[in-house]
Amino acid sequence: DIQMTQSPASLSASLGETVTIECRASEDIYNGLAWYQQKPGKSPQLLIYNANSLHTGVPSRFSGSGSGTQYSLKINSLQSEDVASYFCQQYYDYPWTFGGGTKLELK
Amino acid sequence: QVTLKESGPGMLQPSKTLSLTCSFSGFSLSTSGMVVSWIRQPSGKSLEWLAAIDWDGDKYYNPSLKSRLTVSKDTSNTQVFLKITSVDIADTATYYCARGPRYFDYWGQGVMVTVSS
Repeated sequence: DIQMTQSPASLSASLGETVTIECRASEDIYNGLAWYQQKPGKSPQLLIYNANSLHTGVPSRFSGSGSGTQYSLKINSLQSEDVASYFCQQYYDYPWTFGGGTKLELK
Repeated sequence: QVTLKESGPGMLQPSKTLSLTCSFSGFSLSTSGMVVSWIRQPSGKSLEWLAAIDWDGDKYYNPSLKSRLTVSKDTSNTQVFLKITSVDIADTATYYCARGPRYFDYWGQGVMVTVSS
């Protein structure tokens, strides 16, 4: 299985700040990567697919980048509604696997 | 609009078989390229992809659980089912169904399943 290592596990940031979350794959996943946001008690919501494509309706302050084994999710100008957990997922090879998650809180 | 909704027993005893149903609307599983997956999440933890079934009836399983999983769909292509045999406490989680062949653009609200004696 491809292992997905996410960092940091938790993050505290101020409103308006730029936040970056990293995801490292155990092998090259050729941009087969998605990012999800999950608010407490809710199901995950797709943010980014193909490493850098913004899903319909997702605010443009979210962006994804990376290649090979290293990927990142950036949130510009943090808003209060961005407080959530974030997960990466690789879909280059079965079984699809997820990162351990990053919990984002407001400072 | 696309919606998915999971249903299940809520609680069951160890060694029993867990049966889950995903009822969806707004798309048809008979459409070429369509896939529905099952994903679970223990409380406070990350997500684990379990199984998927595609428009052609092909099935895909997580090898770590494959011997215990069976995914199927109904003939009207509006429901997908998952059975997990010989459950134990480690199977306690929220179970989601989600649409997508690779990444998941629509998710159900999830159904919480507790395995307890």
